[in-house]
Amino acid sequence: DVVMTQSPLSLPVTPGESASISCRSSESLLQSNGYNYLDWYLQKPGQSPHLLIYMGSNRASGVPDRFSGSGSGTDFTLKISRVEAEDVGVYYCMQALQTPRTFGQGTKLEIK
Amino acid sequence: QVQLQQWGAGLLKPSETLSLTCAVFGGSFSGFYWSWIRQPPGKGLEWIGELNHSGNTNYNPSLKSRVTMSLDTSKNQLSLNLSSVTAADSAVYFCARGHIFDFLSGSYYLDFWGQGTLVTVSS
Repeated sequence: DVVMTQSPLSLPVTPGESASISCRSSESLLQSNGYNYLDWYLQKPGQSPHLLIYMGSNRASGVPDRFSGSGSGTDFTLKISRVEAEDVGVYYCMQALQTPRTFGQGTKLEIK
Repeated sequence: QVQLQQWGAGLLKPSETLSLTCAVFGGSFSGFYWSWIRQPPGKGLEWIGELNHSGNTNYNPSLKSRVTMSLDTSKNQLSLNLSSVTAADSAVYFCARGHIFDFLSGSYYLDFWGQGTLVTVSS
């Protein structure tokens, strides 16, 4: 199985500042077509997860441009610029390269 | 707008079979993968398995011997059965739609999720 490792696991952030979450995979998620098979999801408190970023860097419909995904191969980053109170929750990366699909442990973002 | 609505028994005894149903509104089955994911209380997400509109399935090897997924295209519903449950199977179970971006490999992102169903296994 592809192992996904996120850091940090807890991320206190002051509103208006930026935040970054790292996700590393045990195998390269870069395919010959040039795309990275890595998605980011946010699970707000008491809700189902929802898609933020797909294929490494593509924002899902309705996701604010404060959210951006970058990286390639085995190292990926989710950046949130100008953090707002509504951004609290647990962020997960997931590899879409192979089955079983695997998730990172999750990063809990909280407001200072 | 696509909506996924789930239901099923929330309290089971050890050794019973978990059965959940997920109804899809506002979209078709064709051209998508359909996944089940679970989340034990206070923990992270675990992928259970997937199936496509043709009924082809892939299961997590850790659960494969106990999992069955199926589609009822006439009702736009998918179902999950997990046999011989134990306390370790207590979790919130989600269904989700997989939007395929690579048809050769079957890779997808999960663009719509159900509301989740809490299943507790206790004697």
